[in-house]
Amino acid sequence: AQSVTQPDARVTVSEGASLQLRCKYSYSGTPYLFWYVQYQRQGLQLLLKYYSGDPVVQGVNGFEAEFSKSDSSFHLRKASVHWSDSAVYFCAADKVRTGGYKVVFGSGTRLLVSP
Amino acid sequence: GPKVLQIPSHQIIDMGQMVTLNCDPVSNHLYFYWYKQILGQQMEFLVNFYNGKVMEKSKLFKDQFSVERPDGSYFTLKIQPTALEDSAVYFCASSLGLNSDYTFGSGTRLLVI
Repeated sequence: AQSVTQPDARVTVSEGASLQLRCKYSYSGTPYLFWYVQYQRQGLQLLLKYYSGDPVVQGVNGFEAEFSKSDSSFHLRKASVHWSDSAVYFCAADKVRTGGYKVVFGSGTRLLVSP
Repeated sequence: GPKVLQIPSHQIIDMGQMVTLNCDPVSNHLYFYWYKQILGQQMEFLVNFYNGKVMEKSKLFKDQFSVERPDGSYFTLKIQPTALEDSAVYFCASSLGLNSDYTFGSGTRLLVI
């Protein structure tokens, strides 16, 4: 069955420190991969996505993610976090299919950036 | 940017009653979706909708659930009757095309008591 796993429910980092949020997927073939962010009381916003090509994809606000087929992973990284990055981050995956695609989400990682 | 609005943001309802969750999608979007997220768990796909019809639904989309978008108004999720296990946050999303990015709403927090 298709699944996306985010092993860390909560991550706390100090402002200015580097960040990695982990994501593993289980899919037949290579799915399309996404990272979304949800700030408090807002809808999910797309940070970045991977379809093919360069395994390192750049997103908004200095985020990037690296696709690894051998590891079935799509970890999110940022070199230096800001307090405004505190939010819940969702990794997601899907394959395009006839009739529209539906995204499978991980359970989310709540990021707290401490001063 | 364009937003998906969900009304209400919170709803408390007695078990067995009917509830309608409203979603105002991005105006030119054609595909609509509902997801369900139980506290502490991942968001799970319920249903997608295009051209007045359900295209796909998951096993979470019970017989008590229905969706519609009459005359281009709100895209609604109706639960009748509600059950305790329906308590969750329900997210609506819309997209312009089959392969287009989703725009999500901020969710409706439903509590069935």
